[in-house]
Amino acid sequence: AQSVTQLGSHVSVSEGALVLLRCNYSSSVPPYLFWYVQYPNQGLQLLLKYTSAATLVKGINGFEAEFKKSETSFHLTKPSAHMSDAAEYFCAVSDMKTSYDKVIFGPGTSLSVIP
Amino acid sequence: NAGVTQTPKFQVLKTGQSMTLQCAQDMNHNSMYWYRQDPGMGLRLIYYSASEGTTDKGEVPNGYNVSRLNKREFSLRLESAAPSQTSVYFCASRQGVVESGNTIYFGEGSWLTVV
Repeated sequence: AQSVTQLGSHVSVSEGALVLLRCNYSSSVPPYLFWYVQYPNQGLQLLLKYTSAATLVKGINGFEAEFKKSETSFHLTKPSAHMSDAAEYFCAVSDMKTSYDKVIFGPGTSLSVIP
Repeated sequence: NAGVTQTPKFQVLKTGQSMTLQCAQDMNHNSMYWYRQDPGMGLRLIYYSASEGTTDKGEVPNGYNVSRLNKREFSLRLESAAPSQTSVYFCASRQGVVESGNTIYFGEGSWLTVV
């Protein structure tokens, strides 16, 4: 079965610093990968997704992620953190072997941005 | 645009009581999902429905039942609530076309407390 791990349940960065949130997945076949963001007391919204096209994926709000098959990783980055980026971030995976309809989420990483 | 609507938003149950969480989407999506979110656990898939008339177990189905009433509606039932089912529940939907990697759209969540 596919699974997702996110290293670091909580990450703190200074405003203007690089944001790096880590995601590793387990899947025996090419996956679809997603990053979602959740602001307090809200549902989740899509930041970006990888669906076997370009390995470097650009999303909303200046975020991007790179799919690295050899490392089974899909880390999320942003060159310069903004206060409004403080939120919970979730990596998710689905694949053909299990079912593209079965989307599994990681445990999440809480991002704090320090002024 | 209503998107994904779930009710109720808040509910307190006594142990052993039953209740149904309702979910409806107006985007003509094929796939619908129920997740629960707990601190440090991320989102865990309870059940999903790839299309009208089908339902499948997710990661944590025990203690829950679901009904895909029609294409729009997907309900989650707790037959005999337990304190371990205290959580925030999210309904979600996706177009679900195979190999499309379509975005999942989430409702705003239902806060359930079992005492």
